[in-house]
Amino acid sequence: GQNIDQPTEMTATEGAIVQINCTYQTSGFNGLFWYQQHAGEAPTFLSYNVLDGLEEKGRFSSFLSRSKGYSYLLLKELQMKDSASYLCAVSPRRNTPLVFGKGTRLSVIA
Amino acid sequence: SQTIHQWPATLVQPVGSPLSLECTVEGTSNPNLYWYRQAAGRGLQLLFYSVGIGQISSEVPQNLSASRPQDRQFILSSKKLLLSDSGFYLCAWSAGQGSYGYTFGSGTRLTVV
Repeated sequence: GQNIDQPTEMTATEGAIVQINCTYQTSGFNGLFWYQQHAGEAPTFLSYNVLDGLEEKGRFSSFLSRSKGYSYLLLKELQMKDSASYLCAVSPRRNTPLVFGKGTRLSVIA
Repeated sequence: SQTIHQWPATLVQPVGSPLSLECTVEGTSNPNLYWYRQAAGRGLQLLFYSVGIGQISSEVPQNLSASRPQDRQFILSSKKLLLSDSGFYLCAWSAGQGSYGYTFGSGTRLTVV
């Protein structure tokens, strides 16, 4: 089976750093994606990891450890507009659909 | 550049009525196409995906069906809607797999009353 776990909700303060964890157990591994989804909108692509290590893109970074089946998304200098759901998704094999976690709802407070 | 169009944005339909949601992609050829549903406060549930014209894989056997009459057109249908069909329907495309991931359409909010 395919299983992706991430916390349901998190709250963080504006200007702070927050780390959203994701663990996965899938039948194969061809990459891990993070998406951001604001309420009532479609998900938008944030990052992609296929090799172990950290990928940095502005205020957002994503880390992958394939041996541990673990990833995290790091958001720095939080802004109110970062309040959204963050979806972790794994590609088990090429040309097969992504498996999505249920998402982590992040609330950024002043 | 590639764009994906999905319509309508919102829909209110009575129980037992038919459904047709359409999705089209521009600026690419032979995309992989997907239909997802997201119930309120829930994760994304894969309904159908297609890797080519006339090739449809169903993940959830229910009263929904999908068709791909043209390379860049993907249609989600139902003959008779149920209350449980309410949700946020998302179409997405990808250029195979790899670092491209998915690009989602803007979604259709369906309420069955």
